[in-house]
Amino acid sequence: DAKTTQPNSMESNEEEPVHLPCNHSTISGTDYIHWYRQLPSQGPEYVIHGLTSNVNNRMASLAIAEDRKSSTLILHRATLRDAAVYYCILSYSGGSNYKLTFGKGTLLTVNP
Amino acid sequence: EADIYQTPRYLVIGTGKKITLECSQTMGHDKMYWYQQDPGMELHLIHYSYGVNSTEKGDLSSESTVSRIRTEHFPLTLESARPSHTSQYLCASSEVTGNEKLFFGSGTQLSVL
Repeated sequence: DAKTTQPNSMESNEEEPVHLPCNHSTISGTDYIHWYRQLPSQGPEYVIHGLTSNVNNRMASLAIAEDRKSSTLILHRATLRDAAVYYCILSYSGGSNYKLTFGKGTLLTVNP
Repeated sequence: EADIYQTPRYLVIGTGKKITLECSQTMGHDKMYWYQQDPGMELHLIHYSYGVNSTEKGDLSSESTVSRIRTEHFPLTLESARPSHTSQYLCASSEVTGNEKLFFGSGTQLSVL
């Protein structure tokens, strides 16, 4: 299985941008890059996913390196509610057999 | 907003009891999952299902069992609970088209005394 590497923790200030890095040097050509986050005492929630091109949605942006061996989740203006564990995950296999394997993620602390 | 529900939210029981953790979703998703998570640790996939009458074991061996008699319902059962089963259990669902996002419930925190 392709693995991802993320920093254990990061810190940010409120209303500043946050760049959460993820390395996935063994990614295969068909693997999608997914990001989820888990707030305290909650189940994970979907943030964004992409294959090759950069992606934007109302929650965040996903910047994917040209060689696809790394990606960055960008929160444009961090709020206190963004404090969570952020997981970078590669899809395992494609089609209907895909499943997601979660690592330990990055604990994001947002300072007021 | 996720339409997937887990009950109970918290459960404290004694060793040897049989328990069933409930999970229901109203999104009509065919694929459902159970993950297990200890505090501060990663999620481990223990069971999943492609649809009615389909159940598969996940990456982490588990003494629990699951059933899928109805599309919307995916209960997890422990026949004889032990302290080693103490953990958070998270249920999720997705469409089967591949690379679709997972919707998670809020989880059941199980404590076996």
